[in-house]
Amino acid sequence: DQQVKQNSPSLSVQEGRISILNCDYTNSMFDYFLWYKKYPAEGPTFLISISSIKDKNEDGRFTVFLNKSAKHLSLHIVPSQPGDSAVYFCAASSGNTGKLIFGQGTTLQVKP
Amino acid sequence: GAVVSQHPSRVICKSGTSVKIECRSLDFQATTMFWYRQFPKQSLMLMATSNEGSKATYEQGVEKDKFLINHASLTLSTLTVTSAHPEDSSFYICSVPTGLASTQTQYFGPGTRLLVL
Repeated sequence: DQQVKQNSPSLSVQEGRISILNCDYTNSMFDYFLWYKKYPAEGPTFLISISSIKDKNEDGRFTVFLNKSAKHLSLHIVPSQPGDSAVYFCAASSGNTGKLIFGQGTTLQVKP
Repeated sequence: GAVVSQHPSRVICKSGTSVKIECRSLDFQATTMFWYRQFPKQSLMLMATSNEGSKATYEQGVEKDKFLINHASLTLSTLTVTSAHPEDSSFYICSVPTGLASTQTQYFGPGTRLLVL
């Protein structure tokens, strides 16, 4: 049972344009969501997070939107840069366990 | 955030041997660390929660006798893959959580690539 889903395995965008990465979840108990960026053979790097009490959080070029009623979150990267090319994972946690449930990942390619 | 290191970064071993992977929190005292595993082109799967001074808690389906976890200090957790088999070949990653329990952010180590021949 995949509680966190990233239905797009890959995404390709042109440099300077917006990248939108999507994530859906099924567990209504999730109350904290995170996005990570990962290169092959490396550990994930934290990008941005959002609590369920908010619907938007912004940090530089990265903005995360949360739609609780739809159980959907998205990561916007604007403007996209070639260095953003990587695999992006969304993750969710609930309560005080701290345990993260990860989506399958979306490979982003930003073309120069 | 926390700075996390892992050693070794890569290990090749023969089937039946045991392999120890170290996870160190370099700038943060961690009473809890997490161990994940990632198979090629798949997601990260939580294996267990490492607890300083007490037993680790394992996720469903993870054999505690096969994946021994020892959290000896606030900066070190070790994962030992005992009697390794080729199906244990994977990318093992640890993480250190920081912040309040309800809004913890986990910071990951660089990972350890295990190949069992």
